[in-house]
Amino acid sequence: EPEVTQTPSHQVTQMGQEVILRCVPISNHLYFYWYRQILGQKVEFLVSFYNNEISEKSEIFDDQFSVERPDGSNFTLKIRSTKLEDSAMYFCASMRDRGQPQHFGDGTRLSIL
Amino acid sequence: AQTVTQSQPEMSVQEAETVTLSCTYDTSESDYYLFWYKQPPSRQMILVIRQEAYKQQNATENRFSVNFQKAAKSFSLKISDSQLGDAAMYFCAYRSGQGAQKLVFGQGTRLTINP
Repeated sequence: EPEVTQTPSHQVTQMGQEVILRCVPISNHLYFYWYRQILGQKVEFLVSFYNNEISEKSEIFDDQFSVERPDGSNFTLKIRSTKLEDSAMYFCASMRDRGQPQHFGDGTRLSIL
Repeated sequence: AQTVTQSQPEMSVQEAETVTLSCTYDTSESDYYLFWYKQPPSRQMILVIRQEAYKQQNATENRFSVNFQKAAKSFSLKISDSQLGDAAMYFCAYRSGQGAQKLVFGQGTRLTINP
C-alpha cells in the first residue's frame, strides 16, 4: 500500500539555524498538510497546500515557516531560524481528494538545542 | 472555530474486554467528517475509523465501532475484544467538509491494556 514518507526521522539543529523537513506524499494525492505535535500535547495544524499554493495556515505558521513542492513529488517544510519552542514531532499528511481520509507519514522528530 | 474535546486523559481495560473512549465536538457546520486516529509509542498516526456526518449509520471496522450522536455532537469509539496491540494514544479529530479540510484534534486518550 502506498505510504507517505518523511525524512529525516530525527533532526537535531542548533537554535537559529535553518532546517528543512522533507515529505514525499502518495503519488496521486492532491492535498498536502503539515502538522506538529509538541511532546505530550495534541496534534496541531500548521498549513495546507493545494494546487501549488497555501490554502490555509494557522497562527503558528508565521514568517519563519515556508512550504514548497519543488518538483511535483517532494513537499518540504522550512523553518528559517529555529527556536527552542520549535522542538516537536512534525507530521506530513496527504489526501487524494476532498472527502477522502488524510494519510500521515511517520513524522520527523525535530530537536532544537 | 471548531473544537474537539476528549475528557478522558487515560483509560485502561483488561485484555479481551470492551472499552469506550469519549469524544465531543463543537461546530455549526452540517458538512463534516469525524475520525479516530491511533498513535502507538512509535508515534505514527494511524487511521482507525471515519464517519461522515451525513450518514446516520455508525461506522464499523472489525473490532472498532463508533457511536455517532449528531444532535449531541458526540463521537465515541468502542474497542471490542481489546488486544495488547491496541495500547496507544487515541485522538479524535474533526474535519470540515469545506475549505482546506484540515484536521482539528482532541487532546487524546492514553489507552492501557492490562494482560
